[in-house]
Amino acid sequence: AQRVTQPEKLLSVFKGAPVELKCNYSYSGSPELFWYVQYSRQRLQLLLRHISRESIKGFTADLNKGETSFHLKKPFAQEEDSAMYYCALLASGGSYIPTFGRGTSLIVHP
Amino acid sequence: DTGVSQNPRHKITKRGQNVTFRCDPISEHNRLYWYRQTLGQGPEFLTYFQNEAQLEKSRLLSDRFSAERPKGSFSTLEIQRTEQGDSAMYLCASSSRSGPTDTQYFGPGTRLTVL
Repeated sequence: AQRVTQPEKLLSVFKGAPVELKCNYSYSGSPELFWYVQYSRQRLQLLLRHISRESIKGFTADLNKGETSFHLKKPFAQEEDSAMYYCALLASGGSYIPTFGRGTSLIVHP
Repeated sequence: DTGVSQNPRHKITKRGQNVTFRCDPISEHNRLYWYRQTLGQGPEFLTYFQNEAQLEKSRLLSDRFSAERPKGSFSTLEIQRTEQGDSAMYLCASSSRSGPTDTQYFGPGTRLTVL
């Protein structure tokens, strides 16, 4: 069975500080990993996925299979980054059932 | 708005009543998911359709829950004999077959309160 762990419920930083939102997963195969974001009063939306190796809004995430982690990072946080962030895993092999972590609330203070 | 839509946005009901929610996916998407989200948790998978076929159901989905997707278009989620523990946000998402990944587009959700 797969599991996604986001150890921090809340992460509070000041504007301009680096941010790292942690995500660890448990899965025996090769997973697809995603970060979703939910801004205040908006719907959940995809931020980035590991297979694309992209940087979105200054955020990057690297899949570390050795440590089974997919941490989300941004070198300089902005106030508009304040939101709820969810890490999600999609198992390989044809199953399209995703598993989400419980989420981390990021608050960026001015 | 061509995104995923859900109706109603809010539903308050008394324990024991039946409720039905509707989800309209993005028109070209063949996959449709239902999730439940309670306070402090991420979305929990309930069930998944590919076109009109219901391919997966979570163990979370008791016999009181039923979902349909007639003709592979909109979907309904019905909860019979609601219980207070059913109070949650019910999310719908859709996606298309677009390679090895499965980017899901979420609706705004239906918030259910069972009194």
